[in-house]
Amino acid sequence: KNEVEQSPQNLTAQEGEFITINCSYSVGISALHWLQQHPGGGIVSLFMLSSGKKKHGRLIATINIQEKHSSLHITASHPRDSAVYICAVIEGGADGLTFGKGTHLIIQP
Amino acid sequence: NAGVTQTPKFRILKIGQSMTLQCTQDMNHNYMYWYRQDPGMGLKLIYYSVGAGITDKGEVPNGYNVSRSTTEDFPLRLELAAPSQTSVYFCASYSLGTGYNSPLHFGNGTRLTVT
Repeated sequence: KNEVEQSPQNLTAQEGEFITINCSYSVGISALHWLQQHPGGGIVSLFMLSSGKKKHGRLIATINIQEKHSSLHITASHPRDSAVYICAVIEGGADGLTFGKGTHLIIQP
Repeated sequence: NAGVTQTPKFRILKIGQSMTLQCTQDMNHNYMYWYRQDPGMGLKLIYYSVGAGITDKGEVPNGYNVSRSTTEDFPLRLELAAPSQTSVYFCASYSLGTGYNSPLHFGNGTRLTVT
């Protein structure tokens, strides 16, 4: 079973700061997802990555397959970015969906 | 395209009652999952399915049952509800195939309280 580690667990930053959340995993994967969950809310998929880099608005996600590591970056952070960000990896097997424990991000105005 | 639809959104059960949480997806995904999320905790896998007619237990299956008679539907049944089943339940789906991975989709969750 894949071991998925996220860091940091908690992050508080000021509005406008550049944010980086990291995810590392132990076993080769077929895809990695970054998910966002607002307090009391549903879970939304932000990115699906199998290689390289993706950008959507102020969010950028990168993955290094050789190093088994992915990062989620938020540029010009805003209080509405406050949420839990979860890394999830998919291996080939049916039950091969493993979640990190999440990073609780608070952006203060 | 509705994605993953979960019903109900909220439910209060008395101890010993039963209920079914509904989950439907319209994306022809082969993999479907049920998770529970306790306050301040991560997602725990209850049951999963790799296709119609095939289901398997996750890490916390006790007190629950599932069925997958069609690709679209994956209902979760709670028999004899207990306070320990108070949680938020999420259904998720995706497709995994040769050379293709779909995004991971979640339902909006069902907030269940057992008193």
